[in-house]
Amino acid sequence: EAGVAQSPRYKIIEKRQSVAFWCNPISGHATLYWYQQILGQGPKLLIQFQNNGVVDDSQLPKDRFSAERLKGVDSTLKIQPAKLEDSAVYLCASSFPTSGRVSYEQYFGPGTRLTVT
Amino acid sequence: SQKIEQNSEALNIQEGKTATLTCNYTNYSPAYLQWYRQDPGRGPVFLLLIRENEKEKRKERLKVTFDTTLKQSLFHITASQPADSATYLCALDIPGSGNTGKLIFGQGTTLQVKP
Repeated sequence: EAGVAQSPRYKIIEKRQSVAFWCNPISGHATLYWYQQILGQGPKLLIQFQNNGVVDDSQLPKDRFSAERLKGVDSTLKIQPAKLEDSAVYLCASSFPTSGRVSYEQYFGPGTRLTVT
Repeated sequence: SQKIEQNSEALNIQEGKTATLTCNYTNYSPAYLQWYRQDPGRGPVFLLLIRENEKEKRKERLKVTFDTTLKQSLFHITASQPADSATYLCALDIPGSGNTGKLIFGQGTTLQVKP
């Protein structure tokens, strides 16, 4: 089966600019996650969707970050305006096939490396 | 507050030896724990899941133990190979998250296997 797709792979922007990342999860996965991974740290959850509804966005900096999953399939994460500390890898993951089988493992995409200058 | 700790220093071992990585947690009672592998420039890849009522889980050369009394998990790679060199992340489910699959990740330990 095809894995989680993300684009772009790399992005360089100046502070105060905006940027958007796209994710297409594994077909049939109901749950989609966006993580931020700063160099040398583990992934930190930003937002979790179940189908097209938000399950948890408690760690999403809502003054500058937004995310949507309108049709319950692919998702976009946006940052506006970007700050220097937003430089990180943004990972998308999916899990929980809708077939009913409980699956706790998450499948990650390759990530988007964002550099804010 | 909840805390997950993995060895921040890289682990360097000789090929053929057993690598043992540690994951400790505090203020926490996870229902399950997962281990992931991450290569440079790539997303994490799921390796193993162990539940709170399981003491040990094996998969090929990998073995995970889960001691809920010590609040610790050990991850072993036997007969290690240079191809096992990567960063290994442990992740625990969030208490109260029900069946949503929400995880907290440790910072990861980098393993370097020398030929």
